Amino acid sequence: DQQVKQNSPSLSVQEGRISILNCDYTNSMFDYFLWYKKYPAEGPTFLISISSIKDKNEDGRFTVFLNKSAKHLSLHIVPSQPGDSAVYFCAASGGSQGNLIFGKGTKLSVKP
Amino acid sequence: ETGVTQSPTHLIKTRGQQVTLRCSSQSGHNTVSWYQQALGQGPQFIFQYYREEENGRGNFPPRFSGLQFPNYSSELNVNALELDDSALYLCASSIGQGRIPGSSYEQYFGPGTRLTVT
Repeated sequence: DQQVKQNSPSLSVQEGRISILNCDYTNSMFDYFLWYKKYPAEGPTFLISISSIKDKNEDGRFTVFLNKSAKHLSLHIVPSQPGDSAVYFCAASGGSQGNLIFGKGTKLSVKP
Repeated sequence: ETGVTQSPTHLIKTRGQQVTLRCSSQSGHNTVSWYQQALGQGPQFIFQYYREEENGRGNFPPRFSGLQFPNYSSELNVNALELDDSALYLCASSIGQGRIPGSSYEQYFGPGTRLTVT
């Protein structure tokens, strides 16, 4: 049973517009959430994170929003750039183990 | 600051063989986690090492084993390879386990080792 779900396998956005990537989770014990970006033939690169005590965290063009009641988080990229084209993974941490639980990823394509 | 490195980059093995994958953690990091990423899936947690001891394990059989050394580098060993073990194996390092003061939840990944079992 998937505890972290990214229901959109792909997303295509025009350069300069907003990209919104969504993630849902089922385990209420999760207390920290992260987004990673992955290019082909590279490992995932940490992008931005948010603690469950916050509802928003911003870093430059990237903003993560957390809605605990809905068990939903989203990553906003504004403005989107062609170099943002990659697979984006949502991950959650919680429980006694320090591991991360990942979604299946969303492939973002930003078209010039 | 040196990032996480992994070796080898690619590996081809035959079913039933054994394999060892290596990882050097990022400078200043004392925790190493290993993940398996199958095609079209997100990374799946195998196990984590903190200060040379296994600190948690995912749903993987005992033929997946590991070590962490005093310099915090790590090895992943897989015995009796099966075709389904073909995947990208990722190593990630971090500071602590994210649950104790001074530690961090963020994990930093290496480029991975692509293992193919034929």
